Amino acid sequence: EVQLVESGGGLVQPGGSLRLSCVDSGITLSDYWINWVRLAPGKGLEWVASIKSDGGDKHYLDSVKGRFAISRDSAKNSAFLQMNSLRTEDTALYYCATNHWAEWGQGTLVTVSS
Amino acid sequence: EIVLTQSPATLSLSPGERATLSCRASQSVSRSLSWYQQSPGQAPRLLIYDASIRASGIPARFSGSGSGTDFTLTISSLEPEDFAVYYCQQRSNWPLTFGGGTKVEIK
Repeated sequence: EVQLVESGGGLVQPGGSLRLSCVDSGITLSDYWINWVRLAPGKGLEWVASIKSDGGDKHYLDSVKGRFAISRDSAKNSAFLQMNSLRTEDTALYYCATNHWAEWGQGTLVTVSS
Repeated sequence: EIVLTQSPATLSLSPGERATLSCRASQSVSRSLSWYQQSPGQAPRLLIYDASIRASGIPARFSGSGSGTDFTLTISSLEPEDFAVYYCQQRSNWPLTFGGGTKVEIK
């Protein structure tokens, strides 16, 4: 059964923006850290960002600091990744993961290209 | 940043054989090391956390060992569904990091 679902990916030009969403229909996301991980074509998994259960602690991969922002909305049982100033090297399948990394979505594809 | 080096990059084995995958950290991560399996077109699946604890629903043929800088994932007898890419991940320090992956392929 599908529980964690990402959305918001798409094709965007370099310098553009996208907002990814992560919604869970099975568990209460506010009980857990939420993490974003990406898989670029031909590459391995790369951690991108994490946010604590209460939203009070956030961490980012150095290459996305100042460009990406992670947030959460407990009322909507959702998390978000706002991605600005996108670069071609940000092209990847973006996953959200939670529940102590035991639950993953199927990913949403972000393509940055002119 | 803690760098995780996985070896070998590719492991060619037959069903029923034993697979031994290695993950070495550039500095100690204590036991904060996890292993994931990723099959083509699928999301990663957590296999092992805290170096040796099997995640819920993971078959007993998967086992993890190690501490500090050297870790091993062992698959005691490969099933057809085990042919996939395996990643280690450290959660000891920020930024979190993954190893480059080991592909277990059918010989």
